Amino acid sequence: QQQVKQSPQSLIVQKGGIPIINCAYENTAFDYFPWYQQFPGKGPALLIAIRPDVSEKKEGRFTISFNKSAKQFSLHIMDSQPGDSATYFCAARVVYAGNNRKLIWGLGTSLAVNP
Amino acid sequence: DAGVTQSPTHLIKTRGQHVTLRCSPISGHKSVSWYQQVLGQGPQFIFQYYEKEERGRGNFPDRFSARQFPNYSSELNVNALLLGDSALYLCASSLYSADTQYFGPGTRLTVL
Repeated sequence: QQQVKQSPQSLIVQKGGIPIINCAYENTAFDYFPWYQQFPGKGPALLIAIRPDVSEKKEGRFTISFNKSAKQFSLHIMDSQPGDSATYFCAARVVYAGNNRKLIWGLGTSLAVNP
Repeated sequence: DAGVTQSPTHLIKTRGQHVTLRCSPISGHKSVSWYQQVLGQGPQFIFQYYEKEERGRGNFPDRFSARQFPNYSSELNVNALLLGDSALYLCASSLYSADTQYFGPGTRLTVL
């Protein structure tokens, strides 16, 4: 119920391509869906986030598409660059113990963008 | 403004020892959360503190404990270290307990 399933596990695209990373969830109580980018040896950095009442959000080259009825959301990276090579995590925020919230994470997608 | 800072950067311990990891949140942030990230996996929630009180605990044994100080910095303590405790330990801060979390660079713990 509290899982977030992320796919694919790894992805290789050519520079300029549009990698798409998908996530699915079951718990309808999730209220916020962030994507994080993590480079080796570094902590995750917030990339973009969406709330379930919005179907799409775009920030620069990054777009989240959200399908509430299907309980799925995805990250699209337009005009991908070698510098985008990193591990990407989707997450979902859940309420627990009253008004507290914590993030449930996907397992991550390792993206490689070839020059 | 400085982001979330963690110390030490790297740490090597042997089985049975204990370790203390430290975190300073972004200035003005009152909530700190701790996560464990094993290589190749997503972060797993350990604790959340808000205004010096524990607000949540993940599925970790009692060997793991934490506290938050009046200046909102936090410590994570792990006793009786096991090989399986080897991981990147991440601290995240947020303004309030329900807000967007910002992560520090992590502490890489290796247990031999």
